[in-house]
Amino acid sequence: EAQVTQNPRYLITVTGKKLTVTCSQNMNHEYMSWYRQDPGLGLRQIYYSMNVEVTDKGDVPEGYKVSRKEKRNFPLILESPSPNQTSLYFCASSLSTSGKNIQYFGAGTRLSVL
Amino acid sequence: GENVEQHPSTLSVQEGDSAVIKCTYSDSASNYFPWYKQELGKRPQLIIDIRSNVGEKKDQRIAVTLNKTAKHFSLHITETQPEDSAVYFCAASQSSGNTGKLIFGQGTTLQVKP
Repeated sequence: EAQVTQNPRYLITVTGKKLTVTCSQNMNHEYMSWYRQDPGLGLRQIYYSMNVEVTDKGDVPEGYKVSRKEKRNFPLILESPSPNQTSLYFCASSLSTSGKNIQYFGAGTRLSVL
Repeated sequence: GENVEQHPSTLSVQEGDSAVIKCTYSDSASNYFPWYKQELGKRPQLIIDIRSNVGEKKDQRIAVTLNKTAKHFSLHITETQPEDSAVYFCAASQSSGNTGKLIFGQGTTLQVKP
């Protein structure tokens, strides 16, 4: 089954404790992205990757890191989480073809930073 | 950079009525405009999209219209049903350059009252 898998689904942590949210896709998509969803702000892109070892900042990259060592994986790293990073996070992969960029989202990770 | 504004933020309609959600975009180079539906507690999923060489596209009870000159596009849902209740996001992107970058609007919470 084609899917985007992110883990964990729920995470409660404390300020300053490094964490990683994993994301994996089995559709051989070149493009992967991380978004955060906050009430009234919609989905804001944190980082995106066009291919292995190619990443770029989205609209809200501060406080986050990513890596793309393999095509299927795109982990999101919070080196020193802060309470303002409490949010719902979505990983997505996409195939840009025929003028379309269709994003397939993971199930989401709800993060609380205390 | 691209900016997408979406209105209204909330919309309540009676079952059977029509619902219209509007979005404006700032970058005239944008040429792909998808709409995503996010049911409560679920991931966003693509419901319809339109490319800039098309003015209107319809799929059963949903339709999208695009006015490139005015840089706005709209989602129309006819004969609304309770299962249409969800958050709807518009988005815009450029297919040229194949960056995988998609800019989302702030979202509209649609409530269909039985």
